[in-house]
Amino acid sequence: EAGVAQSPRYKIIEKRQSVAFWCNPISGHATLYWYQQILGQGPKLLIQFQNNGVVDDSQLPKDRFSAERLKGVDSTLKIQPAKLEDSAVYLCASQEIDRYYGYTFGSGTRLTVV
Amino acid sequence: QKEVEQNSGPLSVPEGAIASLNCTYSDRGSQSFFWYRQYSGKSPELIMFIYSNGDKEDGRFTAQLNKASQYVSLLIRDSQPSDSATYLCAVNTSPGTYKYIFGTGTRLKVLA
Repeated sequence: EAGVAQSPRYKIIEKRQSVAFWCNPISGHATLYWYQQILGQGPKLLIQFQNNGVVDDSQLPKDRFSAERLKGVDSTLKIQPAKLEDSAVYLCASQEIDRYYGYTFGSGTRLTVV
Repeated sequence: QKEVEQNSGPLSVPEGAIASLNCTYSDRGSQSFFWYRQYSGKSPELIMFIYSNGDKEDGRFTAQLNKASQYVSLLIRDSQPSDSATYLCAVNTSPGTYKYIFGTGTRLKVLA
């Protein structure tokens, strides 16, 4: 089966600019996650979707980050305006409903804010 | 604050040796535990998961869980240079959800 697709792979922007990341999960996977991984740290959950509804966005900095999942498939994560501390890899993961076997990550988008 | 702690390493072992990676967690209600391997510049990939106390073996990998002591470990037998990576421990601290808290990872170096 095809994996989780993410784009772009790399992005460099100046602070205060905006940026968007795209994720296409594995076909049939109802649950989708966005994680932020800062260099040297473990991934941190930003937002969890189930189908097109938000399950948990408690750690999403809502003053600058937004995410949507239209039609319960693709998802976009946006940052506006970006700060230097947003430099990280943004990982998308997906999972079938009620599967306890961990989930599959995409290849990630490496964001550098200068 | 629910926490998952790992020694950042690097842990260096000679080729063919057993590598032992440890993880402790703070929430006694945690129910499922995962080990991910992450090569430099790549995304994490799942290698093991464990729910019950005791050992679970899969090839050269063994996951060990002790809920009373709140630790989970990963043993890699016959370590190979290709095992050199960062190993992330992830804990599901919210029963009924699939959200994980990740540790910061332990960097493993297998020396040829």
